[in-house]
Amino acid sequence: GESVGLHLPTLSVQEGDNSIINCAYSNSASDYFIWYKQESGKGPQFIIDIRSNMDKRQGQRVTVLLNKTVKHLSLQIAATQPGDSAVYFCAEVYTGGFKTIFGAGTRLFVKA
Amino acid sequence: EPEVTQTPSHQVTQMGQEVILRCVPISNHLYFYWYRQILGQKVEFLVSFYNNEISEKSEIFDDQFSVERPDGSNFTLKIRSTKLEDSAMYFCASSPLGAGYEQYFGPGTRLTVT
Repeated sequence: GESVGLHLPTLSVQEGDNSIINCAYSNSASDYFIWYKQESGKGPQFIIDIRSNMDKRQGQRVTVLLNKTVKHLSLQIAATQPGDSAVYFCAEVYTGGFKTIFGAGTRLFVKA
Repeated sequence: EPEVTQTPSHQVTQMGQEVILRCVPISNHLYFYWYRQILGQKVEFLVSFYNNEISEKSEIFDDQFSVERPDGSNFTLKIRSTKLEDSAMYFCASSPLGAGYEQYFGPGTRLTVT
């Protein structure tokens, strides 16, 4: 069945440190993976995506790594800031069916 | 910057009543979605909609649910006979280019069924 999940439910980091949020998925049929950030009381916000034929993609302060061998996705945030505090979801997108499956979420706390 | 809007922000209804949740997607977007999020849980896909028809739906989206794009700007989710377990935050999203591309989410409607 479809399943996208997370290794750690909460992560606490010091401001300025790097953060790594992990995600495991079980269905290899998707074409895209996306990381979303959700702040309290708001809808999910796109951070970065990666195609299944890539293993790394970098954005501004964020890097997504995809390991299809072990079905693992990670989000790295460099120089974490208090504004990064939120819940982060990985999501798997089935391009053929316009369907997005979200993982369980990891709450990131950034300590000043 | 254009954004997805949703109304109302909070809807309280009695079990068995019909509710309609409204969304105004970003104007040049062509793909529309509904998701729900039960408090403290993950975001769950409900349905995707393109070219005036459903593209994909989840097992949650049963006969009690329907979607409609009644005009060129609104996108609605109707729940015919609400149940207690329908209480959740409902998010609308839109995308300019379809699946696999960035979806823009609205702020959500909190539905409380009593």
